[in-house]
Amino acid sequence: DQQVKQNSPSLSVQEGRISILNCDYTNSMFDYFLWYKKYPAEGPTFLISISSIKDKNEDGRFTVFLNKSAKHLSLHIVPSQPGDSAVYFCAAPLTGNQFYFGTGTSLTVIP
Amino acid sequence: ETGVTQTPRHLVMGMTNKKSLKCEQHLGHNAMYWYKQSAKKPLELMFVYNFKEQTENNSVPSRFSPECPNSSHLFLHLHTLQPEDSALYLCASSQEGVSRNEKLFFGSGTQLSVL
Repeated sequence: DQQVKQNSPSLSVQEGRISILNCDYTNSMFDYFLWYKKYPAEGPTFLISISSIKDKNEDGRFTVFLNKSAKHLSLHIVPSQPGDSAVYFCAAPLTGNQFYFGTGTSLTVIP
Repeated sequence: ETGVTQTPRHLVMGMTNKKSLKCEQHLGHNAMYWYKQSAKKPLELMFVYNFKEQTENNSVPSRFSPECPNSSHLFLHLHTLQPEDSALYLCASSQEGVSRNEKLFFGSGTQLSVL
């Protein structure tokens, strides 16, 4: 049972344009969400997070939006840069140490 | 550099071999994890250790055996693996406390191929 879903396995965007990566979740108990970025042959690195008391969190070029009623969050990258090309995972922790991850979206930013 | 170091980076082993994966965290965290990443699947949690005590074991086959001698080191002992066990094995750590807004810090992973 996949509680965090990323339905787009890949996304291509032109350099300078906006990248929007989507994530849906099913468990209404989730109250904190994270985005991780992963380059090939490296482990995932933390990118940005959002608490359910907010609907937006911004960090430089990266903004995460949370729509609790739709159980949906999205990561916006603007402007997109070639170095942003990576796999992006959304994740949510539950009780204890259980982090649930999506399957990832592979972003390619075309120069 | 995330503060979590995994060795080896790559490992090829036969089904009758015994090998171990090693993880060390330099972040002073009190929880360590093993995750498995297979192609086109979510990261799968295998084991969790809090303060050196195993708290999660997500129905992992006994051919995978974790060991946590202290809060900075974590091992995954492998024996008689199957080809379907080929995957990227990731170690992670976190600081578990009152707040649930914790984040995981991952190592670079061990890419395992079982022949």
